[in-house]
Amino acid sequence: EVQVVESGGGLVQPGGSLRLSCAASGFTVSSNYMSWVRQAPGKGLEWVSLTYTAGSTNYADSFQGRFAISRDSSKNTLYLQMNSLRAEDTAVYYCARFRVDFVVEPPAIYSDYWGQGTLVTVSS
Amino acid sequence: SHELTQPPSVSVSPGQTARITCSGDALAEQYAHWYQQKPGQAPVLAIYKDSERPSGISERFSGSSSGTIVTLTISGVQAEDEADYYCQSTDSSGTYRVVFGGGTKLTVL
Repeated sequence: EVQVVESGGGLVQPGGSLRLSCAASGFTVSSNYMSWVRQAPGKGLEWVSLTYTAGSTNYADSFQGRFAISRDSSKNTLYLQMNSLRAEDTAVYYCARFRVDFVVEPPAIYSDYWGQGTLVTVSS
Repeated sequence: SHELTQPPSVSVSPGQTARITCSGDALAEQYAHWYQQKPGQAPVLAIYKDSERPSGISERFSGSSSGTIVTLTISGVQAEDEADYYCQSTDSSGTYRVVFGGGTKLTVL
């Protein structure tokens, strides 16, 4: 059974750092496109970052240089390192597996599995 | 940048048909996908590649595309369909930057 479980959320002061983890089971993280998506309280979904099977990464402009996505193949785990956190970063952070359909042009990219999320609260 | 626009809310009575639209210039070239999110839960894929339905999703859910507008249609709406719905696509830069619409709250009257 495919499953992703996020952890590492919590209360952090403005300017602080936090590392989120996403442990996967039922599939191999490094063989899939994996992403972090966040949702501020009462707001919509906001894409944060994507890691490709080849290891390259992509970020929404708002997070470039401040957040870093990575993975550990030995632990089958995805990470999100968040630095210089601000109050507006308060959100539930979801880990999601994305499928890429290369049969079609342009490729179709969508998520088929999401974790339950981990809450990050940035406050003094 | 690539933006997707959805109506903030749609309301229908039980048994009626709900239609939720999503518009954006890049949709003329990129596929759109739809997620259902109920309160306190993670999003669930409802429609992918404009009109494909994942296994386990009710046949009452369908999708269509015309130019720069995609539409999620829910036929015979039931109380359990009340949720937030998000469209998602990718920008046309070729770098796989994911974009979500602002979401639509479906209320079953």
